[in-house]
Amino acid sequence: SAVISQKPSRDICQRGTSLTIQCQVDSQVTMMFWYRQQPGQSLTLIATANQGSEATYESGFVIDKFPISRPNLTFSTLTVSNMSPEDSSIYLCSASGQEGETQYFGPGTRLLVL
Amino acid sequence: AQKVTQAQTEISVVEKEDVTLDCVYETRDTTYYLFWYKQPPSGELVFLIRRNSFDEQNEISGRYSWNFQKSTSSFNFTITASQVVDSAVYFCALSEVKTDSWGKLQFGAGTQVVVTP
Repeated sequence: SAVISQKPSRDICQRGTSLTIQCQVDSQVTMMFWYRQQPGQSLTLIATANQGSEATYESGFVIDKFPISRPNLTFSTLTVSNMSPEDSSIYLCSASGQEGETQYFGPGTRLLVL
Repeated sequence: AQKVTQAQTEISVVEKEDVTLDCVYETRDTTYYLFWYKQPPSGELVFLIRRNSFDEQNEISGRYSWNFQKSTSSFNFTITASQVVDSAVYFCALSEVKTDSWGKLQFGAGTQVVVTP
């Protein structure tokens, strides 16, 4: 199973600022994803991080707000831009070898926007 | 349209009682994968099981068991002899094998399990 780490684990940010979250996997993986979990809610997929190309965003999420990078097969970043209190959530990175394989999740980044 | 339904918002039990979590899914694919994850209060998402659509065998792992029934599109999860450490939110998830859904997980709303001593 893949071991996934995220940095930072938590942060408190001021509205209007941006935060970049890093996701590191201990082995090469095919698929990497970013999810958002708003307080008391389930997980919602933000985007698929594609290695070497632009991320694929789900309905309701746009690149200007959530730019994503994936420079190689083990690392990805998610930036939450121009934050507002509504962005306060847990952001989780996940990875799997290929479709259908188990997706393992990072520990999440707890973001509070004031 | 919601693809994964976990109708139970919260279940409270006393330690040693059994608890069953329901999961009903919807898909037109013949090939798909179903998952259960546990999210304890610490927040991390812990993988419990993956089942593909061609494997309807029930599975038991320690105190955990899963009942997969394609005829009713259900993938229920039972914790036997519950313990306080089982207190968590449990998520059921579906992964469809289509080009535009490749590898993506669709989560149910989650069921909060509260086990009291």
